[in-house]
Amino acid sequence: GQNIDQPTEMTATEGAIVQINCTYQTSGFNGLFWYQQHAGEAPTFLSYNVLDGLEEKGRFSSFLSRSKGYSYLLLKELQMKDSASYLCAVPFSGGYNKLIFGAGTRLAVHP
Amino acid sequence: EAGVAQSPRYKIIEKRQSVAFWCNPISGHATLYWYQQILGQGPKLLIQFQNNGVVDDSQLPKDRFSAERLKGVDSTLKIQPAKLEDSAVYLCASSLDFGQGRDGYTFGSGTRLTVV
Repeated sequence: GQNIDQPTEMTATEGAIVQINCTYQTSGFNGLFWYQQHAGEAPTFLSYNVLDGLEEKGRFSSFLSRSKGYSYLLLKELQMKDSASYLCAVPFSGGYNKLIFGAGTRLAVHP
Repeated sequence: EAGVAQSPRYKIIEKRQSVAFWCNPISGHATLYWYQQILGQGPKLLIQFQNNGVVDDSQLPKDRFSAERLKGVDSTLKIQPAKLEDSAVYLCASSLDFGQGRDGYTFGSGTRLTVV
């Protein structure tokens, strides 16, 4: 089966760095996605990792360790607009790659 | 390119009424997904189409929910009769072919359903 765990809520200060962790259990592995979702809006793509290591894209970086079933999203130089939910998602390889989501981590950035 | 279009944006109905949502995926995307997102939770897949065929509807409450994608393009999701617990955002997403790789999935803006 599939299981994805991430913290429910996090708070951070503007300008700081925050790391959002995600652990997953899956039979087969076809990559891991991170999405950002502002309140009342659709999820938007942030990153996709299929190999171990860190991928950096501007202020956002994503890390994957397949052996540990672990990923994190790193947000640097936090801005108020980064206040949102961050969703970790894994395609279920045994089911036509349907995307299975974690419950999401609500990040609140304070001045 | 145009994104995934959904309508209506918001809907309020009374319990036991029926409601329908519409989705038009990105042109050329063979796979279409309907997700239900209850407040404070991650999206949950209801049904997945490949062209006009259903490949996964294991979590669709079939006694009240139905969906179709007759011509392999746009899709409708219907709830009849609605229950209070159906209050959620219904997200439509599409992908080129089973969501392979980083270009996998594009989401629409969703329909926020409130059942009173």
